Amino acid sequence: AQKITQTQPGMFVQEKEAVTLDCTYDTSDQSYGLFWYKQPSSGEMIFLIYQGSYDEQNATEGRYSLNFQKARKSANLVISASQLGDSAMYFCAMKGTSGSRLTFGEGTQLTVNP
Amino acid sequence: ETGVTQSPTHLIKTRGQQVTLRCSSQSGHNTVSWYQQALGQGPQFIFQYYREEENGRGNFPPRFSGLQFPNYSSELNVNALELDDSALYLCASSSGLAGITDTQYFGPGTRLTVL
Repeated sequence: AQKITQTQPGMFVQEKEAVTLDCTYDTSDQSYGLFWYKQPSSGEMIFLIYQGSYDEQNATEGRYSLNFQKARKSANLVISASQLGDSAMYFCAMKGTSGSRLTFGEGTQLTVNP
Repeated sequence: ETGVTQSPTHLIKTRGQQVTLRCSSQSGHNTVSWYQQALGQGPQFIFQYYREEENGRGNFPPRFSGLQFPNYSSELNVNALELDDSALYLCASSSGLAGITDTQYFGPGTRLTVL
C-alpha cells in the first residue's frame, strides 16, 4: 500500500517568487512513480510533472521542478517565478508496481498574491 | 488530439436513485480510471478498466460499477445513491497498463449532488 502526506494545507507566495510544496510518501515497493497535479477551482486535474524512483536526476518541466530525496521519501514540488494563474490546489500522487491506481495526498492550496 | 471528456458536468439526484456518468478517453489511450473526490479531499480510486476488463478496484461497494466500450470510452454507474456519494467524479485515461511511468490524464469531472 502507498501513502502520501502533504503537511501544508495552505501556502501563500508573492508573484514572481519561488515556492516549495512539500510531499512525503510511504511505500514498500522498490519501483514507483511520483506525480504532481494542479487542480484549479474548475475541478480538472492537470498533470504537471513525473519522477521515477530510479531516475537519477530531478525532473523539470518549465517552471516546475521536483526535489526528489529518495532516502527521506520526499518529492517536493518547486514552482519558480510564481504567476497569478498558479493559484490552485496542488496534489502529490504516487503509483506503485502492484497496480495502476494513483494514491493522492490531501493537497495544498496555493495562493499567489500580486 | 482530443483530451478526456466527461458528461454531464453537473448532476442532482435524490437518495435511492441510480446515476450513470460517462467518459471519453484521450485519443490513443486504452485505459480508463475513475476517482471520487469528496469536498476538501484528495481523489480516491474507484476502479480501472483496460481493454473492456476491470483491472483493479478500490474500497468501494458493489453498487459502484462500470463498463468500458470497444472505443475505450467508459461509464460509471452508481445504484442506490446515498448522501455521501455527493462528490466530484473524475475520469482519467492513460496509454498503458500497470506501468509506473504511465501518466493518467484527467477530464473536467462530473459534480454529483445527492439530496
